[in-house]
Amino acid sequence: DAEITQSPRHKITETGRQVTLACHQTWNHNNMFWYRQDLGHGLRLIHYSYGVQDTNKGEVSDGYSVSRSNTEDLPLTLESAASSQTSVYFCASSGTSGVRGDTQYFGPGTRLTVL
Amino acid sequence: AQSVSQHNHHVILSEAASLELGCNYSYGGTVNLFWYVQYPGQHLQLLLKYFSGDPLVKGIKGFEAEFIKSKFSFNLRKPSVQWSDTAEYFCAVNSLTGGGNKLTFGTGTQLKVEL
Repeated sequence: DAEITQSPRHKITETGRQVTLACHQTWNHNNMFWYRQDLGHGLRLIHYSYGVQDTNKGEVSDGYSVSRSNTEDLPLTLESAASSQTSVYFCASSGTSGVRGDTQYFGPGTRLTVL
Repeated sequence: AQSVSQHNHHVILSEAASLELGCNYSYGGTVNLFWYVQYPGQHLQLLLKYFSGDPLVKGIKGFEAEFIKSKFSFNLRKPSVQWSDTAEYFCAVNSLTGGGNKLTFGTGTQLKVEL
């Protein structure tokens, strides 16, 4: 069955370190997204990609970067981790159904703690 | 920018009670509407979605939602909740401007169902 996987599922790091969170989907979806989930804020969009070599900034992109070198993967990098980036991170993907978009399917999440 | 409001942050119900969770959005153009559910410790799963057609949509596990365009609302309902419905519920909107694949989420409603 098609799925989205994220790794690691839990990560503890120190302030200032570079961290990369992996997201891999086997849906063959063009669109991939990264969200962070924080209490009182719901899910907020960090970065997204509509295809290979395409990346776009979302609502809360400062301090994060992504790259899309193939259809299946969209790794999220925290350039210099800060305590404010302690959060749960979700990756999602969707296909493209004409002009109306499509349902997003979510991965299991990565809980990141920055000390 | 579009926004999504979920006015009920925490809801406590007894089993068999009826449920209605409010969702309002602020975008005047054409939108897709979603309700996602997140069970404790799990990732987001799609409950139901509205793209077009009948404004009353039925989803999984007995949930339904009604799109009222004049009120910019997409409220979630279930006639009789079960203990297993304890979860966090997120309303999301996908505007169709510029490709229309980005989701804007509400802050979520935490539902607790007591036996």
